[in-house]
Amino acid sequence: AQSVTQLDSQVPVFEEAPVELRCNYSSSVSVYLFWYVQYPNQGLQLLLKYLSGSTLVKGINGFEAEFNKSQTSFHLRKPSVHISDTAEYFCAVGDSGGYQKVTFGTGTKLQVIP
Amino acid sequence: DGGITQSPKYLFRKEGQNVTLSCEQNLNHDAMYWYRQDPGQGLRLIYYSQIVNDFQKGDIAEGYSVSREKKESFPLTVTSAQKNPTAFYLCASSPGQPSYGYTFGSGTRLTVV
Repeated sequence: AQSVTQLDSQVPVFEEAPVELRCNYSSSVSVYLFWYVQYPNQGLQLLLKYLSGSTLVKGINGFEAEFNKSQTSFHLRKPSVHISDTAEYFCAVGDSGGYQKVTFGTGTKLQVIP
Repeated sequence: DGGITQSPKYLFRKEGQNVTLSCEQNLNHDAMYWYRQDPGQGLRLIYYSQIVNDFQKGDIAEGYSVSREKKESFPLTVTSAQKNPTAFYLCASSPGQPSYGYTFGSGTRLTVV
């Protein structure tokens, strides 16, 4: 069985500062990973995904994430945040065996402070 | 524009009542999913369907039912057997296996009154 842990439930950061949202996963097989963003009372939107290949993945809105197999991590980063980045961010992991079930983390609320 | 439409946006249910949440997609995606979202718990899979006329239980299927009679539609019924139905329900679709990534609808917030 796979699992995903988002270590921070809330992250406050000042506007134009860098941010890192942490995600760790566990799985016994090869995995693929996602980051999704959710604005209040809306559905989730795919930010980026890692399937294979380069461990640095670039996504929409200036976000990027790095897959680290040895540390089983997939942290999300942005060098300079904007007020509009205030949202909840979800990390998700899927395994490559059988039906590829996806498991979501509990989410990290990013609050950008003016 | 292609996307997923969930309706209604807000729904109120009386005790002992069944309610149906609508999910329609025009993305020509084969797979569709229903998730339940509760504060601090992330998303939990209720049911999924990989093809028409076939669906599978997810992690929390008890008290829910679905149908997939058309590729575009995947309605979810919350039955009276679901003892704690108040939650935000999200429908999603993908072209095939989940590794493609999901497209989500905007959700239905169900409240028991």
